[in-house]
Amino acid sequence: QQQVKQSPQSLIVQKGGISIINCAYENTAFDYFPWYQQFPGKGPALLIAIRPDVSEKKEGRFTISFNKSAKQFSLHIMDSQPGDSATYFCAASMTGTASKLTFGTGTRLQVTL
Amino acid sequence: GAVVSQHPSWVICKSGTSVKIECRSLDFQATTMFWYRQFPKQSLMLMATSNEGSKATYEQGVEKDKFLINHASLTLSTLTVTSAHPEDSSFYICSAPLGGRISPLHFGNGTRLTVT
Repeated sequence: QQQVKQSPQSLIVQKGGISIINCAYENTAFDYFPWYQQFPGKGPALLIAIRPDVSEKKEGRFTISFNKSAKQFSLHIMDSQPGDSATYFCAASMTGTASKLTFGTGTRLQVTL
Repeated sequence: GAVVSQHPSWVICKSGTSVKIECRSLDFQATTMFWYRQFPKQSLMLMATSNEGSKATYEQGVEKDKFLINHASLTLSTLTVTSAHPEDSSFYICSAPLGGRISPLHFGNGTRLTVT
């Protein structure tokens, strides 16, 4: 059972553009939503995370938007750069188990010149 | 810098042999660590939770006798793939919460296992 659905599967964005990746979850007990960035052959690196008490969180060029009623959250990468080309995973977990993550299926982002 | 160290980064072994993968937390203690498995171009699937001082907790469908987990100390967890077969070839990644049980999860750089 896929508890966290992620889209699109792949994304091509021009340099300077905005990359948007969406995730939807089913389990209303989830209350911690991180995004991870993974380069080939490497482990995932924590990018940014949000809890449902806020609707938006911004860190540099990365913004998470959260819609609790719709059970959806998204990652926006502003001014996308070729160095942002990677696979991005959304994830979710429950209170007290913030480390036991359920991952989305991943989005392969390619930022072209 | 890296907060979770994993070794080796890659390993090739023959069918029927066993392989041990180490996961260390650097400069912090981790009573709990997590082992994930990732197939090419796929997502991460949680295999088991490694608990210091007690038995590991395995996810449904993961053979505990095949994937032996030992949390030897507050900074070290090991995953041993026993009697490896080609279908065990995968990318194995460990992780640990930096600041305690409900803290953000940090991952090691993974181990690429190839069984010939």
